[in-house]
Amino acid sequence: QITLKESGPTLVKPTQTLTLTCTFSGFSLSTTEVGVGWIRQPPGKALEWLAHIYGSDHKKYSTALKSRLSITKDTSKNQVVLTMTNMEAADTATYYCAHLSATLKYSFDMWGQGTVVTVSS
Amino acid sequence: DIQMTQSPSSLSASVGDRVTITCRSSQSISNYLNWYQQKPGKAPDLLIYGASTLQSGVPARFSGSGSGTEFTLTISNLQPEDFATYFCQQSFDFYTYSLGQGTRVEI
Repeated sequence: QITLKESGPTLVKPTQTLTLTCTFSGFSLSTTEVGVGWIRQPPGKALEWLAHIYGSDHKKYSTALKSRLSITKDTSKNQVVLTMTNMEAADTATYYCAHLSATLKYSFDMWGQGTVVTVSS
Repeated sequence: DIQMTQSPSSLSASVGDRVTITCRSSQSISNYLNWYQQKPGKAPDLLIYGASTLQSGVPARFSGSGSGTEFTLTISNLQPEDFATYFCQQSFDFYTYSLGQGTRVEI
């Protein structure tokens, strides 16, 4: 059974760096067929894909946020970490991590519960 | 980047209705199109992948079709638990996995 859970600060000040951790179980992030992605959703708005990383360490970022994002994996700890620099109010959102399945047409087939991040001084 | 556009942004329907949601991509994405359902306060759930393949456990009243740049999600015999927001997502672009803006299905 695949599970994912996001963790990190609930409140971040403007200009600070956000670090979110996705801790997962039920799969190993060590093959090219499996990945973990981050998606966020501002209150009342649409989902926005941010970044993803595959077991091969192939990683990609949203074009709009590329300069501010970094995604890494720790296979031994079953964790994926997303960092976002220079946070601003517009980054207030629920942040989700999700399992990426190449066998299911690179869809996000399992999601974490999400973690709410508020950017405010 | 590939842009995804859903229509309508919201719709009203009744239990038992047949509902169709459209998703268009700014360039051809073959059948690399996935659909998600999201209920208030919850994470999204995968409904359909590869444009037309139902995820395990999803009721057969959901169906997907399309290829290239135009795709549809159809819900036949709408049930009370189907009132939610639906998102499409393209996974054709190996570099960016963009999503549509969502379609809210209301009573």
